[in-house]
Amino acid sequence: EDKVVQSPLSLVVHEGDTVTLNCSYEVTNFRSLLWYKQEKKAPTFLFMLTSSGIEKKSGRLSSILDKKELFSILNITATQTGDSAVYLCAVEPVRGSTLGRLYFGRGTQLTVWP
Amino acid sequence: ETGVTQSPTHLIKTRGQQVTLRCSSQSGHNTVSWYQQALGQGPQFIFQYYREEENGRGNFPPRFSGLQFPNYSSELNVNALELDDSALYLCATALLGGTEAFFGQGTRLTVV
Repeated sequence: EDKVVQSPLSLVVHEGDTVTLNCSYEVTNFRSLLWYKQEKKAPTFLFMLTSSGIEKKSGRLSSILDKKELFSILNITATQTGDSAVYLCAVEPVRGSTLGRLYFGRGTQLTVWP
Repeated sequence: ETGVTQSPTHLIKTRGQQVTLRCSSQSGHNTVSWYQQALGQGPQFIFQYYREEENGRGNFPPRFSGLQFPNYSSELNVNALELDDSALYLCATALLGGTEAFFGQGTRLTVV
């Protein structure tokens, strides 16, 4: 069965720290890996990764995918209290031509203290 | 703001009752997926609709059913509610072949 595992499940840091969140996956016919930030309810899109070794960056956030070792990391530098949220990793397999189902991990609860 | 609207935002139902949750999508988003997110867990795929037809289903019993309308809005219906159905229900819409799914704010369902 397709599976996505995130670690750690919970992380507490102070403002200014750098954090690395991990996501490993097992999925048949991989299409893409996505990262979402969930603060209260709606997950908001951060990154979509499809190719190995190509880093995607958005401000203080960056992410990279290793399709050989089947994992991805999400880095957040110079953390701020506003980064406190659950970070979800999801994998999308190829299933026909539609944007298919996403398999989510349990998420990493990040808490940033001032 | 994702342009995806879910209603209601909160709902309390009694075990055995039926519930209908609604989702309206951004203009042109013809694919809608529904997810159930229990406390402390990641979202779990329920099913997806494309052009008003079910287009894939997760491990949920038949009492979970859905509809998609010509304007691409959607409903999730759950019959014979159980306590374990208490969760956040999320819908996500996308364009066919698109690269990103947009999530609504979710409906928090509590079954007592």
